[in-house]
Amino acid sequence: AQTVTQSQPEMSVQEAETVTLSCTYDTSESDYYLFWYKQPPSRQMILVIRQEAYKQQNATENRFSVNFQKAAKSFSLKISDSQLGDAAMYFCAYRSALSGNTPLVFGKGTRLSVIA
Amino acid sequence: DAGITQSPRHKVTETGTPVTLRCHQTENHRYMYWYRQDPGHGLRLIHYSYGVKDTDKGEVSDGYSVSRSKTEDFLLTLESATSSQTSVYFCAISEARGRSEAFFGQGTRLTVV
Repeated sequence: AQTVTQSQPEMSVQEAETVTLSCTYDTSESDYYLFWYKQPPSRQMILVIRQEAYKQQNATENRFSVNFQKAAKSFSLKISDSQLGDAAMYFCAYRSALSGNTPLVFGKGTRLSVIA
Repeated sequence: DAGITQSPRHKVTETGTPVTLRCHQTENHRYMYWYRQDPGHGLRLIHYSYGVKDTDKGEVSDGYSVSRSKTEDFLLTLESATSSQTSVYFCAISEARGRSEAFFGQGTRLTVV
């Protein structure tokens, strides 16, 4: 079974600075998807960024980018120019691409605080 | 935003009572999931469905059952609620292929006293 590990339960960053959240995963598959979700205090789960394992290029969405290291099974999220609205729980998630009905597997999350 | 509605949004119930949570989608997505979120555990899969009347267990399925009699509705039932089932419950939906991400409902906070 696949597992996802987020080793940083809590992180903090100064406003306008850059922060990197870590995620590692364990799988024997070669084709899969990786995701970062954001959960603000409203509790809503919001997709931040997605990476297909077959793509070597790291995904980028505005101030959010990932460092995808397939051989190392690492998928870190970098937030640039941090804003107060970035304060939230961040979850890393894995989904196999081998079958359409495989659910997402989540890490335990990293709580990010942004200091003004 | 994906059309997913969970009901109720909040519920307090007594130990030993049955509880049913409802997830309703308007996206016609094939796959539906129930997760629970607890501090220090992230989101853990309870049950999921890959079609009408087709369901399977997740990693924390004990004490829960599900039913899906039509595409748009996925019900989660706690047959006899226990305090350990106090949690926030999320429903999610996804398409089979393509984008592959899951879209989440707003969550249901369930307290068992």
